[in-house]
Amino acid sequence: TQLLEQSPQFLSIQEGENLTVYCNSSSVFSSLQWYRQEPGEGPVLLVTVVTGGEVKKLKRLTFQFGDARKDSSLHITAAQPGDTGLYLCADGSGNTGKLIFGQGTTLQVKP
Amino acid sequence: GAGVSQSPSNKVTEKGKDVELRCDPISGHTALYWYRQSLGQGLEFLIYFQGNSAPDKSGLPSDRFSAERTGGSVSTLTIQRTQQEDSAVYLCASSYGGDSGYGYTFGSGTRLTVV
Repeated sequence: TQLLEQSPQFLSIQEGENLTVYCNSSSVFSSLQWYRQEPGEGPVLLVTVVTGGEVKKLKRLTFQFGDARKDSSLHITAAQPGDTGLYLCADGSGNTGKLIFGQGTTLQVKP
Repeated sequence: GAGVSQSPSNKVTEKGKDVELRCDPISGHTALYWYRQSLGQGLEFLIYFQGNSAPDKSGLPSDRFSAERTGGSVSTLTIQRTQQEDSAVYLCASSYGGDSGYGYTFGSGTRLTVV
């Protein structure tokens, strides 16, 4: 059974700081997705990465996919309070669309 | 509809009672998923529908849990004889097709509390 480990579990920083969170898999990812979840809401898809070594940018967020497709990182530049939330990585499982989720990183950005 | 709609948003029930949770997916999305999320944790897969069929129900924790989908649209998750360990947020998601590349659109969830 595939296991996704995210680190750190919890991160509290001041507005304007940079941060990186990580997602590691016990096996090769099929397709990696990152979601952000705010309290009381469902997760919202941020990005999908498929190719080893791929880098995608979404405004202040930079997503990297490891060459071996077993790890990924999310870097946020100049964090803002609006970035606060639970960041989840997930791997697609075959052709059913079923996703395996990591436990998430809870990010708190203080003004 | 414009998004995935779940009802009720909150449900408090007594131990031993049955509950029904409803999910109305995005129109035209053939794939529908139910997940469960305990406080501050990741998501635990429960069941996947493609149309009205459930090719993967491997995540249902026990035979007290069942789900159905009708008309390729609305889905209902039923929990019989609820237990305190069933307390969690139940999330529904839909996707254009049964392929992980499409990504999910989630509803806001139903927070179930069993007292």
